Amino acid sequence: NAGVTQTPKFRILKIGQSMTLQCAQDMNHNYMYWYRQDPGMGLKLIYYSVGAGITDKGEVPNGYNVSRSTTEDFPLRLELAAPSQTSVYFCASSPVAASQNTGELFFGEGSRLTVL
Amino acid sequence: AQSVAQPEDQVNVAEGNPLTVKCTYSVSGNPYLFWYVQYPNRGLQFLLKYITGDNLVKGSYGFEAEFNKSQTSFHLKKPSALVSDSALYFCAVRGSSNTGKLIFGQGTTLQVKP
Repeated sequence: NAGVTQTPKFRILKIGQSMTLQCAQDMNHNYMYWYRQDPGMGLKLIYYSVGAGITDKGEVPNGYNVSRSTTEDFPLRLELAAPSQTSVYFCASSPVAASQNTGELFFGEGSRLTVL
Repeated sequence: AQSVAQPEDQVNVAEGNPLTVKCTYSVSGNPYLFWYVQYPNRGLQFLLKYITGDNLVKGSYGFEAEFNKSQTSFHLKKPSALVSDSALYFCAVRGSSNTGKLIFGQGTTLQVKP
């Protein structure tokens, strides 16, 4: 049972480069989220999705884009990498129905990105 | 706006002693509160939650949390700490919309020494 899978685990980018962080879940969860984690700052929500074809901004969306063409996949794209985007990125998902949506999230193991 | 605060960056405790990791919250309406744990180089794992009911909530690995509405607190506790409990702990509150979004505190590092 894979759960939430993130790739790559580590990546170094140069300023101005672009890349996509991949996230896939096999639990048939409609809700998916991207967070970034910075030391002493906790986790900040970048984007989220409540179902295929539906995405919305979180607290810190600038510099990022997402798409949700399938229930399983929720990639996060960085178009013009900046040093401020150096962080650890976590993808998470949660179950479908509102009655089940008590907030428990299932996290991937993270993608550590460094922009130099 | 919903928010949570964890006033301690780090908590140090000796193995076998009780531990408390503090969390206070600010929400409009009824709070949905959570604790997550993060081990080094891993994603966050769910520990426990308070939705409604008993103020003392029991969770994984022997942890429990006490909901106190008057003090707007949701402190994480364990009667006897283990070295293996050493990790980063996050308190979280569910956002106001029904989208499952969680708002996280800044995290508290728990160090349990033998």
